[in-house]
Amino acid sequence: GAGVSQTPSNKVTEKGKYVELRCDPISGHTALYWYRQSLGQGPEFLIYFQGTGAADDSGLPNDRFFAVRPEGSVSTLKIQRTERGDSAVYLCASSPRTSGGALDEQFFGPGTRLTVL
Amino acid sequence: AQSVTQLDSHVSVSEGTPVLLRCNYSSSYSPSLFWYVQHPNKGLQLLLKYTSAATLVKGINGFEAEFKKSETSFHLTKPSAHMSDAAEYFCVVRLDTGRRALTFGSGTRLQVQP
Repeated sequence: GAGVSQTPSNKVTEKGKYVELRCDPISGHTALYWYRQSLGQGPEFLIYFQGTGAADDSGLPNDRFFAVRPEGSVSTLKIQRTERGDSAVYLCASSPRTSGGALDEQFFGPGTRLTVL
Repeated sequence: AQSVTQLDSHVSVSEGTPVLLRCNYSSSYSPSLFWYVQHPNKGLQLLLKYTSAATLVKGINGFEAEFKKSETSFHLTKPSAHMSDAAEYFCVVRLDTGRRALTFGSGTRLQVQP
């Protein structure tokens, strides 16, 4: 079956612009995660959805970042007034279980590379 | 707080020789530990996971890792490297407190020489 997909694969924007990044999780997965990977670093957690609600948004760096998942499937990460420091690969992951147990593997998409000029 | 430290940013081995990628973790709670691999232009793939069932964990592609609580380590090994193993490897920790976020190490780039 299809894995996690993310669009666009690459996004170039100018400082101050608004961008939206989309994530399509694996069908039936109830949990969805966003991470950000800066050059030479490991991914850093941004936000986690369980169904439609954000269960943990403690990783969002500031109020310019916002994410939604209105129907419990596709999610959109929104960044307002982009800054050069927002340049990174934004990764989405999904997992099938809701119990919080350790066996619910996160399946990652290929990422969206965001470049802010 | 939890953190994970990958002791080498870059490891180079010859094809057919053993691989050792080192990872130490810090956690106040019982952790779940993972190794993920990232090939160029591909998504992160789970190699293996430790969830307290057994301290020696076997993963895909011949990789394994041993959880050593006394040393707070979770090193990744493979007896014989293959050219296709060249990639970035991440050691990852998650607390069993209900919080779902993964904490990644900074990564180790494995280079395999012919």
